Amino acid sequence: DAGVTQSPTHLIKTRGQQVTLRCSPKSGHDTVSWYQQALGQGPQFIFQYYEEEERQRGNFPDRFSGHQFPNYSSELNVNALLLGDSALYLCASSPDGYGYTFGSGTRLTVV
Amino acid sequence: AQSVTQLGSHVSVSEGALVLLRCNYSSSVPPYLFWYVQYPNQGLQLLLKYTSAATLVKGINGFEAEFKKSETSFHLTKPSAHMSDAAEYFCAVTTLGGGSQGNLIFGKGTKLSVKP
Repeated sequence: DAGVTQSPTHLIKTRGQQVTLRCSPKSGHDTVSWYQQALGQGPQFIFQYYEEEERQRGNFPDRFSGHQFPNYSSELNVNALLLGDSALYLCASSPDGYGYTFGSGTRLTVV
Repeated sequence: AQSVTQLGSHVSVSEGALVLLRCNYSSSVPPYLFWYVQYPNQGLQLLLKYTSAATLVKGINGFEAEFKKSETSFHLTKPSAHMSDAAEYFCAVTTLGGGSQGNLIFGKGTKLSVKP
C-alpha cells in the first residue's frame, strides 16, 4: 500500500502566481483534508473533502480552493501567492473522517 | 471550539531516560485525541490515538499516553528514550460532532532532543 502520495515534493513560485498541489489518498480512504504547516508551527486545517464536496473549511481566504475527483484524489489550488503562503502543505486521508494518514507534504516556497 | 496546548516547545532527555511530553486539551464535547511524530522534512506519522475506549493507549515505538478527563490531559510517555526518538511531536484533538467534526486541531509541537 503506497499510503498517501503528494506531488510535487518541492516547489518554488513567484509572488502573484498560482499553484496546484496534488494528493492521492491511501487505498480505501474517501475523505481528504489539507493542512498548512508554517515553519516551527503545528499544522493548520485548510479544508476537508468528502464525496467531491468541500465539507468543512478552516480560517483560510478564498485564494485557497480545492477539488476532489471521483477516485478520491484531490487538488489544492492557491491563487495570487503571497510570501506568507510559503509552508509545508500536508494532505491527509481517512476512511472514517477522524483517523487520518498523512502524506510527506509539498514544500512550497514563494519568492 | 477545541484547542490543544503543548507545554514545552523543546524537551531534552538523556538516552535511556523517561520521556514525558505534555498535552492539555479543551473541548466542549467528548474528544478524540492523537499524538503524531514528525521527523525533519517529512510528514506526520501517527503514534497513537484515544477514541473513547481504554484510557491508557499504547502506540508504536514503545510510546503510550493516558487520557485523564478530570485534568483534560493526554500526556505522552516512553520509559526509555532512544536516539531515534529525536523528532517533533504534535498532540491533536478532534470530535465526531459539532462544527469541527473530523478536523484535527494541533498543538504547536514539542521538539524532543535525546542526548547520548
